[in-house]
Amino acid sequence: AQSVTQLGSHVSVSEGALVLLRCNYSSSVPPYLFWYVQYPNQGLQLLLKYTTGATLVKGINGFEAEFKKSETSFHLTKPSAHMSDAAEYFCAVSGTSGTYKYIFGTGTRLKVLA
Amino acid sequence: DSGVTQTPKHLITATGQRVTLRCSPRSGDLSVYWYQQSLDQGLQFLIQYYNGEERAKGNILERFSAQQFPDLHSELNLSSLELGDSALYFCASSGGATETQYFGPGTRLLVL
Repeated sequence: AQSVTQLGSHVSVSEGALVLLRCNYSSSVPPYLFWYVQYPNQGLQLLLKYTTGATLVKGINGFEAEFKKSETSFHLTKPSAHMSDAAEYFCAVSGTSGTYKYIFGTGTRLKVLA
Repeated sequence: DSGVTQTPKHLITATGQRVTLRCSPRSGDLSVYWYQQSLDQGLQFLIQYYNGEERAKGNILERFSAQQFPDLHSELNLSSLELGDSALYFCASSGGATETQYFGPGTRLLVL
């Protein structure tokens, strides 16, 4: 069975500060991992994904994440927060064959302080 | 714009009623997934269809059903609605050999 844990349902950072959103996963098979962002009253937009290959993946809007198998983690980072980054962020895991259904974490709401 | 469309955007109905939510996947995508997002349950996978066939089932209630039609659009049918069914329902689609899902804008269902 697969599961995802996102530590911190709410995270506040100052504008220009480092953003770090934590995601740990559990999977009995090598996982595919994703980060999505949801702005108010909108759908989910893909930020980045890890499937195979390079463990440091870069996404849109300056975000990146590193797959660490030994730590079963896939934390999302951005060097400098912008006001427009305020949103809810979801980490998801899927299998790598058969169904690619997602198991989502509970989400982290990011607040950016001026 | 993800290329996935969902109708209607909003739906208000009463307990005991039945509604149908519609999803059109991105052009060429064979897989359609349905998810429910609620405050208490978060984002939960409901069901997946691939090229017209059910591929996987998640936490979908027996009162809910879905299908995918030959033109690949999908419908999620919710019946005997209860207050607790009020939620945002997302559809996502993916290509046959890829794992990345693209989400529609969602249908917000309010059961009164």
